[in-house]
This record gives sequence, structure tokens and C-alpha cells, in this order.
Amino acid sequence: NAGVMQNPRHLVRRRGQEARLRCSPVKGHSHVYWYRQLPEEGLKFMVYLQKENIIDESGMPKERFSAEFPKEGPSILRIQQVVRGDSAAYFCASSVREGGTDTQYFGPGTRLTVL
Amino acid sequence: AQKVTQAQTEISVVEKEDVTLDCVYETRDTTYYLFWYKQPPSGELVFLIRRNSFDEQNEISGRYSWNFQKSTSSFNFTITASQVVDSAVYFCALSSYGNNRLAFGKGNQVVVIP
Repeated sequence: NAGVMQNPRHLVRRRGQEARLRCSPVKGHSHVYWYRQLPEEGLKFMVYLQKENIIDESGMPKERFSAEFPKEGPSILRIQQVVRGDSAAYFCASSVREGGTDTQYFGPGTRLTVL
Repeated sequence: AQKVTQAQTEISVVEKEDVTLDCVYETRDTTYYLFWYKQPPSGELVFLIRRNSFDEQNEISGRYSWNFQKSTSSFNFTITASQVVDSAVYFCALSSYGNNRLAFGKGNQVVVIP
């Protein structure tokens, strides 16, 4: 079975451009999460989505960042007007409902570089 | 608030030595879950183990073993007879019952020297 797929694996953008990161969860998984890994920092939670719903966006920056998980198609993390500080690895994870809390399986990440 | 501390940033060992990674956590929740993930040089995150707070049984899986001590809020991970392929960053993570947000430690960089 295919794991979590993310594309592109590497993305280069100039300041002010938009970045779109895609995530296809494990087949049968209906929950998607996005995390960001900044240099010298650990992984930080950004957002948790189920199909067509944002469940928890407490880790999302207030501006320029948005996420969606439509009924059909991959989850998208969108960063508008990128700045150098957005350069990071962005990881998507997916899960299926378990008791108490879900085990999250991660994709390979998208490395975003902002020039 | 939840917090995970992995104090050792980089650990170097010679192949075949054992290496233990420390993880200390803080949570106010009575039911919580602990995880270890591995991030090899290729960059992906690989799930290794999950432990529930109400299950303190320690486990051995091949060369990996885990020591969960609720009394000291620790969830340590040991690699026995390390191999070069074990070179990676290992992350400890925590979540609470009903909350799928993972709080990660900063990771332990393990370097296994041939």
C-alpha cells in the first residue's frame, strides 16, 4: 500500500510568490495533519483536517497560510506571499481513527526554499 | 501545556555499541500517548512505536527497546548493537486523549561510526 505522498519534494519560490504543497493521505485515512520543521527547531503542529473540515488550526500562522482537505483530491497547504522565514520542511501526516488518539504516518516532506 | 524534552542533541557511538535516547515529558492530562519517530538522512519520518499512558509494559522489538517510566515522566529508547543504518534523528512525541496534536521534542541526532 502506498504511504503518504507529498509533492513536490522540493519547491523554490521567490519572495512574494505563492507556494502550494500537496498531500495525498494513505488510502482509507480520513485525517490529515500538517507540521513544519524549521532549522534548529523541532517539528511544530500547524493544522488538523478531516474531509472538508478544519478541526484544529491552532498552530497555523494567522496570515498568509491556509489549508484545505476537499472531498476529492489531496490536501493543500497554501502559503501566500512567501517570505524567507517560510523556508522549512513541511510534513503531512495522515491517520485513521483509533481509540484515544490516532497514530500519524508521515509523508516524505516538502522542502520549501524562499529566495 | 505539553512539553517534550530530549536533552541530548547529538550522540556518536561506534558500531555495535548500545545507545539510549532520553525523553522526558510534561503533561497535565491523565491519559496521554507517547511516540518515537525516526528521521533518516533521506528526510522522511518513520513511525517506530506508540505507548499509552495506562500501559507501562516495556517492549523489545528486535534491536529496539523502550522504557516507559510514568513515575519519572520518561520514555527512553535504546538501540542495541547499533548499525550504521541507525544513523538518524530520533524524535519523541506526545499527544493527549482526544487531541491529535503531536508535541515533538527537538530530536536526538544519532551518528553510528563504522
